[in-house]
Amino acid sequence: AQSVTQLDSHVSVSEGTPVLLRCNYSSSYSPSLFWYVQHPNKGLQLLLKYTSAATLVKGINGFEAEFKKSETSFHLTKPSAHMSDAAEYFCVVSDQARGYNKLIFGAGTRLAVHP
Amino acid sequence: NAGVTQTPKFRILKIGQSMTLQCTQDMNHNYMYWYRQDPGMGLKLIYYSVGAGITDKGEVPNGYNVSRSTTEDFPLRLELAAPSQTSVYFCASSYSTRAGRGASSYEQYFGPGTRLTVT
Repeated sequence: AQSVTQLDSHVSVSEGTPVLLRCNYSSSYSPSLFWYVQHPNKGLQLLLKYTSAATLVKGINGFEAEFKKSETSFHLTKPSAHMSDAAEYFCVVSDQARGYNKLIFGAGTRLAVHP
Repeated sequence: NAGVTQTPKFRILKIGQSMTLQCTQDMNHNYMYWYRQDPGMGLKLIYYSVGAGITDKGEVPNGYNVSRSTTEDFPLRLELAAPSQTSVYFCASSYSTRAGRGASSYEQYFGPGTRLTVT
């Protein structure tokens, strides 16, 4: 079965510094991987997705993630944090179960951005 | 397109009361889902539907019921509310053309959520 582990429950950075949110996955086959962002009291928004076309995936708002099969990782990065990036981030792996596309969510990483 | 809409945004229920959470999507997606999100946790799947008239249980279906009479609507019913059902509920939809292992996966589009408190 697929699983996903977000290695940090909280990450705190200063505005203008790089962001790294770590995610490891377990999969018995080539997975589809996603990063979703949830701003306070809002729904989930797709940041980016990996579906085997390219290992470096660019998303919205300057975020990107690199799929590393040898390390079973899909870490999310951004070169320079902005105050508006403060939110909860979920790493998600897609699993095929009973004929539908199941999403398995990590526990989330809360990103705080300080002035 | 409005995307996925949910009503109500907030609700407080007393133990034993019932209610229906509404979900509508206007993207002609055939797949729809209901999740709950508890504090500090990822989302857990309650029920899903692969098309009108077809529903199935997810990971945490106890205490809930669903129906799918149209492509657009996927209401979630709580019959006897319990404090353990205090959570944030998200509806989502996706368009999938294939099923089974190895098929391409399509991202899910989420509604804004319903915050439910049972006291």
